[in-house]
Amino acid sequence: DTEVTQTPKHLVMGMTNKKSLKCEQHMGHRAMYWYKQKAKKPPELMFVYSYEKLSINESVPSRFSPECPNSSLLNLHLHALQPEDSALYLCASSQGRQGTMNTEAFFGQGTRLTVV
Amino acid sequence: AQKITQTQPGMFVQEKEAVTLDCTYDTSDPSYGLFWYKQPSSGEMIFLIYQGSYDQQNATEGRYSLNFQKARKSANLVISASQLGDSAMYFCAMREVRRNQFYFGTGTSLTVIP
Repeated sequence: DTEVTQTPKHLVMGMTNKKSLKCEQHMGHRAMYWYKQKAKKPPELMFVYSYEKLSINESVPSRFSPECPNSSLLNLHLHALQPEDSALYLCASSQGRQGTMNTEAFFGQGTRLTVV
Repeated sequence: AQKITQTQPGMFVQEKEAVTLDCTYDTSDPSYGLFWYKQPSSGEMIFLIYQGSYDQQNATEGRYSLNFQKARKSANLVISASQLGDSAMYFCAMREVRRNQFYFGTGTSLTVIP
């Protein structure tokens, strides 16, 4: 099983709504990532969890709140978003052992978020 | 400073021909990995090929090969016998050993012409 599953695939939310994006993997990976991607741009790193601990936060606004309940699950809680937050949100996982370089990141299909 | 540079925003190739997508990188870490990903319009990032900084031989995976020139810090992707399904965005990425983070280039949009 080399799959990273993201739900929902599409999400439309108002600026006052609270919603969550979910990501799940069963490959035993200990690093999980959230990326934000605008059309025709590369993915921008938001957060990295390593062994269920937040290891990198790329100065993301607090209206995005990540959570890693266990080694298989990663959530992204959304609150009071702005229209410019509309984007494709990608989750990824990798083996996560520092000191190893030959471990690719496996990506989910993404959640297309529209903020109205 | 940009870690990964892809200088070709868009490329066209005739079906069944080969195409090379350019990628240069910048790192002071002697240990790093280089990756290529394909992203169709559906959005999923699909891993294609990997090259390690200590690998002596160029990586190959089916129709994909990586032309690794360490001294020039380049890691170009070669797609042989292009197919219509190869039309997509292609991203070059790097992972440094010291940080658990993947750096992505700006991408190249490849269009295969029948």
